[in-house]
Amino acid sequence: EADIYQTPRYLVIGTGKKITLECSQTMGHDKMYWYQQDPGMELHLIHYSYGVNSTEKGDLSSESTVSRIRTEHFPLTLESARPSHTSQYLCASSERRVAGGGETQYFGPGTRLLVL
Amino acid sequence: SQKIEQNSEALNIQEGKTATLTCNYTNYSPAYLQWYRQDPGRGPVFLLLIRENEKEKRKERLKVTFDTTLKQSLFHITASQPADSATYLCALWAYGNNRLAFGKGNQVVVIP
Repeated sequence: EADIYQTPRYLVIGTGKKITLECSQTMGHDKMYWYQQDPGMELHLIHYSYGVNSTEKGDLSSESTVSRIRTEHFPLTLESARPSHTSQYLCASSERRVAGGGETQYFGPGTRLLVL
Repeated sequence: SQKIEQNSEALNIQEGKTATLTCNYTNYSPAYLQWYRQDPGRGPVFLLLIRENEKEKRKERLKVTFDTTLKQSLFHITASQPADSATYLCALWAYGNNRLAFGKGNQVVVIP
């Protein structure tokens, strides 16, 4: 079992609310990621970080923002939730290899978000 | 456009038989290919990694092959058990993309 945690596991919230999804890992990994996954669909990368104070947008356009102030913590924030944000959000981490690429990713259990 | 294709139909297989899943890709030059297992409502769990210069990798009852000419990877579960029932995801890390790209996954149901 990977040492990566996400809270909350489930969240039902009204349109327009601000929410923060928490992700923490205790493995000391430099790289962290946020993915969005709908049922039966592939994971889409929405944000990633290569280390403290480093954040980048992923492939899928997202209205969320992230921060990386501490190595172990990578929260994702939605300033104003909408029904289109309803999805499962998965956080992952991996070690940084000198050569780069191909690292195993360790996933958290996910947060299932429902915006009414 | 770049694509990673896995069979959308669930694979139903009798316990004890070998389950074989296919991952086909187009317009990628993968350096690494990985397979993950995902159970309902959970995050994916890493199973195996195979590099572009490797043909086959094994881990216990799992075997992965990688054919860069056919642009295909096969994932085998031998002596399948009901506990192997899950969705299996193929993921590529390609030069120039610098990120892991996932397929939609293929569900396996092992019937006792």
